[in-house]
Parts: sequence; C-alpha cells; structure tokens
Amino acid sequence: SQQGEEDPQALSIQEGENATMNCSYKTSINNLQWYRQNSGRGLVHLILIRSNEREKHSGRLRVTLDTSKKSSSLLITASRAADTASYFCATDGAQGAQKLVFGQGTRLTINP
Amino acid sequence: ETGVTQSPTHLIKTRGQQVTLRCSSQSGHNTVSWYQQALGQGPQFIFQYYREEENGRGNFPPRFSGLQFPNYSSELNVNALELDDSALYLCASSPGVVPDTQYFGPGTRLTVL
Repeated sequence: SQQGEEDPQALSIQEGENATMNCSYKTSINNLQWYRQNSGRGLVHLILIRSNEREKHSGRLRVTLDTSKKSSSLLITASRAADTASYFCATDGAQGAQKLVFGQGTRLTINP
Repeated sequence: ETGVTQSPTHLIKTRGQQVTLRCSSQSGHNTVSWYQQALGQGPQFIFQYYREEENGRGNFPPRFSGLQFPNYSSELNVNALELDDSALYLCASSPGVVPDTQYFGPGTRLTVL
C-alpha cells in the first residue's frame, strides 16, 4: 500500500514559473524524501528533510514539512524544460522500518 | 549517475517462466533494496538485503526471492511469472539499513506475455 499521496497528479506550467507539489502521509516518520524520475527510468534523490526540520533548500528546490498535518510540499522555482519529470515523495517508518514508502507521484510538464 | 547499474534493460518473458534480474550497487554500500513500479504508480518495496541477509520484506509472495553477494552485486528472482508482474524493477543501494538517501539504478523493464 502507498502511504504518500501527491497532489496534484499532473501539473503543466510555463517555463520560468514556479511549480508546487504536495504530499500527505499517514504514519509517523523519521524523514521524508523527494525523488525525481525521468521517462520511467531510475529515481534521482532530490532532498531529504528530517522530522525535526520545517524547511530545507537545495538550489531551486524548497521543501517544507508539517508533521502536525502529516504533509510536505516541494517548490521548484524558475522552472526549466529539463524539470519535466515525475516527482515522488517517500517516507520511512518511525519504528525503524527498512523500506521507503512512495506516493503515486506528480507528473510535471514544463512548456517552453 | 548514481553508480548503480542494472541488467538487462528490457526483458520479455511468458507467463509461468522464471526470471533473474541483476543489480550492481555502489562500492561500500552494504544495503540493497528492490522495488516494483507498475505503470503510472510509485515504486513498491519488495525486500531489502543487508550484508547478504534479508532484512525486511514487503507484501510480495514467496515466488519473489533475492540474493546479495559480497562483491556488492545482487539478484531478484521471480518464479512462475504472472501477467501482473509486468513492471519496472528498480534496485537501490545505500550505506546502511536506515532508509536515508537511496541510490537507484536505471531499472529493468519486464514484460510478461
């Protein structure tokens, strides 16, 4: 079963605009991660935010985490055509579970 | 480039056959995890191996099995293939068992006819 739910399922914006994707999850976590996947290939790690952090930045990426609402958001600023991909949030289990639990992803399309 | 490789890239099998997928982890990474990703879905955890021992399993039947070798390579074996096994199979390596950053390979696309 999938713990994370991304919203929206698909997003289409113009190059240069900002893109925001949201993720909700169900159980307590130690950390939450965001991954990118191009064209059904391997996933690339973008950013990890721990449960005691509220916001984290990496280049054009900004991630927020609200553990009280069990939600996270990924903001990509000044989008580029190369940002076109599927984006997944993934959570671990606070009980030390070994696995990552992924959501169904947001398909982001950047139009030139 | 994550330094994780998988083979083959694509594979076509028929229902009832057996398949072995291979993964080569980053050097020094003692943990490998395998995921199944159906079309349009997120990856689902199959199992994890740490230092050649199974260290956690998802909701997959016993016909999904694995091996991890001392040279940082690993295998996913699936017996008695079913049509629903058609998916992208991803391996991911990490230094330890805590599910921090995982480094994914490019995946093997399996089609079962």
